[in-house]
Amino acid sequence: DAKTTQPPSMDCAEGRAANLPCNHSTISGNEYVYWYRQIHSQGPQYIIHGLKNNETNEMASLIITEDRKSSTLILPHATLRDTAVYYCIVRVNNYGQNFVFGPGTRLSVLP
Amino acid sequence: GAVVSQHPSWVICKSGTSVKIECRSLDFQATTMFWYRQFPKQSLMLMATSNEGSKATYEQGVEKDKFLINHASLTLSTLTVTSAHPEDSSFYICSADQRKSYNEQFFGPGTRLTVL
Repeated sequence: DAKTTQPPSMDCAEGRAANLPCNHSTISGNEYVYWYRQIHSQGPQYIIHGLKNNETNEMASLIITEDRKSSTLILPHATLRDTAVYYCIVRVNNYGQNFVFGPGTRLSVLP
Repeated sequence: GAVVSQHPSWVICKSGTSVKIECRSLDFQATTMFWYRQFPKQSLMLMATSNEGSKATYEQGVEKDKFLINHASLTLSTLTVTSAHPEDSSFYICSADQRKSYNEQFFGPGTRLTVL
């Protein structure tokens, strides 16, 4: 079973920040928090990952709480093309380790 | 960045026939690849782990004689759905780690299988 919980759906206005929460209260010390997204009928796309520090890249920012029991993915300026299912996954960072996908959050960016 | 491709992107077949799906890592070697299945409005479910040069490891409930996996080289894994039936219709996705930088696992674009 997936070790994360996410809201099933969220809406966001185009141009606004989208903040997607994720709870992972049973995360282990060696597990990273990964975020992927899946646009309809495509394979999952990597967004960002982190261990305990906040991370930022060209796509998004990842904010991890100090106790690591929850995190938030931030899309700073959502566009219509960001409409997708977003998956928060915890995983040890070892080669050859699969991902366990939960139901994710369906983000709808509205014009 | 690293790319994983799948072929075909979609396939329609008659019930009882076999279908082969290819997964290739285009610019890196992958000793381990993964096969997932995704039914409509559901999440991805791991079917099996494909290991180069050895037998695949199947998840509980996945019939290994029905879903044949061959990982013959460091850049190619194949999934053959044997004697396909309508209930095998699904979206099949593969993924692979790039060994030198396994922070990010790369997923293929998926193959849509429809069995009539």
